[in-house]
Order: sequence, then C-alpha cells, then structure tokens
Amino acid sequence: GQQVMQIPQYQHVQEGEDFTTYCNSSTTLSNIQWYKQRPGGHPVFLIQLVKSGEVKKQKRLTFQFGEAKKNSSLHITATQTTDVGTYFCAGNQAGTALIFGKGTTLSVSS
Amino acid sequence: SQTIHQWPATLVQPVGSPLSLECTVEGTSNPNLYWYRQAAGRGLQLLFYSIGIDQISSEVPQNLSASRPQDRQFILSSKKLLLSDSGFYLCAWAPNRGTGELFFGEGSRLTVL
Repeated sequence: GQQVMQIPQYQHVQEGEDFTTYCNSSTTLSNIQWYKQRPGGHPVFLIQLVKSGEVKKQKRLTFQFGEAKKNSSLHITATQTTDVGTYFCAGNQAGTALIFGKGTTLSVSS
Repeated sequence: SQTIHQWPATLVQPVGSPLSLECTVEGTSNPNLYWYRQAAGRGLQLLFYSIGIDQISSEVPQNLSASRPQDRQFILSSKKLLLSDSGFYLCAWAPNRGTGELFFGEGSRLTVL
C-alpha cells in the first residue's frame, strides 16, 4: 500500500540555525500537506501543495513539492524557539484517505 | 464557524475493559470524519474514516471499531482493551468537497493498564 516516509525523525538545532525535513512517497501523490503539532497539542494544518515543482513560502517556512510529485520538503530559515514541535507531511492519491509520515520532531535551544 | 469536540480528553482503563471515545463536529454538514492514533513517539496512524452515516472504512485490522450514527458524530469503540491500545487518539474532519485539509480535535489520551 501507499507509504509516506519522513526524515529525519529528530532534529536539534541552535536558535538561528536552519532546519529541513524531507518527505518521500512510494507512489505519485495527488497533493501533499504539512502539519505542525506542538508538544501536548494536536496537529494543525500549515499548507497544501498540489502542482508538480510547486514552491510556497510562509514567512520563514518554505515548502517544496517535487517534480515527480513523490517527494516534498519543509525548510525553516533562522529557527526560533516557537518553531519547536513535530512536523508531519501527509499525502494521498485522488479519492483516498490522507496518509501521514511519522513526523520530524524539532527541538531548538536558545 | 466550524468546531470539533472530542471527549474524554484523558482516560485510564484496565485491560479488558470497554472503550468509547466520542467526536462531534459543528457548523458543517456531511463532513468526512477520521480517527487517527498516535502512539508515543510515533506518527499518525489512520484507523477509520467515514464519508457518510453508517459508511465506515477500516484501515487497520484490530480490536477497535467505529460508528457514525449521525452525520456529525463519530464514535470509536472497543469491547476489550489491550495494553497496545494505549495512545493518543485524534478525531479529524474535512469538508466533503474541500481541498482535503484536515481539522483535528484536541485528542483523547488513553492509557491501558
């Protein structure tokens, strides 16, 4: 069945450093979504990418969708302590339920 | 505006006891509904999803079941809990004809002893 893999599982950075998490699917995706889960909280939707090669930015966050629509990345520039949490990618094929990666947990020390 | 309510927030249950987690959505009609489980330090595992009343799809065979007796109500149940059922259970909804973005409830943390 469809699998979504995400690396790294954990990442610790110093405040101000950049951070990137990568997401790979075993199948071509209809779209990819990114969510953030703060410690003790629930996942919150960040963004959705639909088009091949699409790049979207939200302030210090940059999201990319691969040309083959099988991989994606989230890059955070100059991390802050408020960026702490687990970032999930999730993808699906048309008409199927969303499948989540295992997430990347980011910790930031000041 | 739409809201999602999930309860109870926390529960501790003995092995072999039954389980019922409830989720309701307000402010929308005919939503797609989902149950996910998040084990400690792991990702989100899709358990069940529903596109309408009494229409339930199961993703993972296990001792859990789901029901949707009303359009905006989704219930996760078990007749006999196992230790491995411990985890963080999340209900989510998505607009029936939306872009697929999921809106999650606050979650229910279950500990089976």
